[in-house]
Amino acid sequence: DTEVTQTPKHLVMGMTNKKSLKCEQHMGHRAMYWYKQKAKKPPELMFVYSYEKLSINESVPSRFSPECPNSSLLNLHLHALQPEDSALYLCASSRYFGQGQAGANVLTFGAGSRLTVL
Amino acid sequence: RKEVEQDPGPFNVPEGATVAFNCTYSNSASQSFFWYRQDCRKEPKLLMSVYSSGNEDGRFTAQLNRASQYISLLIRDSKLSDSATYLCVVILTGGGNKLTFGTGTQLKVEL
Repeated sequence: DTEVTQTPKHLVMGMTNKKSLKCEQHMGHRAMYWYKQKAKKPPELMFVYSYEKLSINESVPSRFSPECPNSSLLNLHLHALQPEDSALYLCASSRYFGQGQAGANVLTFGAGSRLTVL
Repeated sequence: RKEVEQDPGPFNVPEGATVAFNCTYSNSASQSFFWYRQDCRKEPKLLMSVYSSGNEDGRFTAQLNRASQYISLLIRDSKLSDSATYLCVVILTGGGNKLTFGTGTQLKVEL
């Protein structure tokens, strides 16, 4: 069982819908991430939160809105998405972000939310 | 040149074979290196970290060559269950912790 839990596992939405993806971890990790992965491609970084503050936004369109309510939770709010946004959305966490100590940067991924935009 | 490059494969090998993958990186300031494994339609999972002196975990051996800027993964006595995509991850620590995934190498182990 993964220690990073994502819900829902599957989501189908229309272009006018508003939905949210949720991610939870209880490993005491202080960094949380959203990645997007298309078929046969590596994960692409979208956002990084460190100590509940947004540290990196990789020029993601505003129709994706991240939120980190506390150190264990990470949400991704979706609005007015396009069919090309259909992908596997992966949440990950690590002990810390931006530190050089061994093991601090190891990512643990959730099982992902597979999103289809019609 | 891509920051982190891998041969996409697929590598089709018979059960019991030894197979090796390489991953080259362009930034010499890269500090941390990992191999992840991703099964079809699943999340990536850490396979092993790569240490400067090289390290082994059962049938898997990882090596780092800083001079030539590549890491390698050797799988001995390959099993059907080793079939997956292997992703190398390179991290530039300090000042942003830029983590970059390679494109992945697909391995298919056959009977």
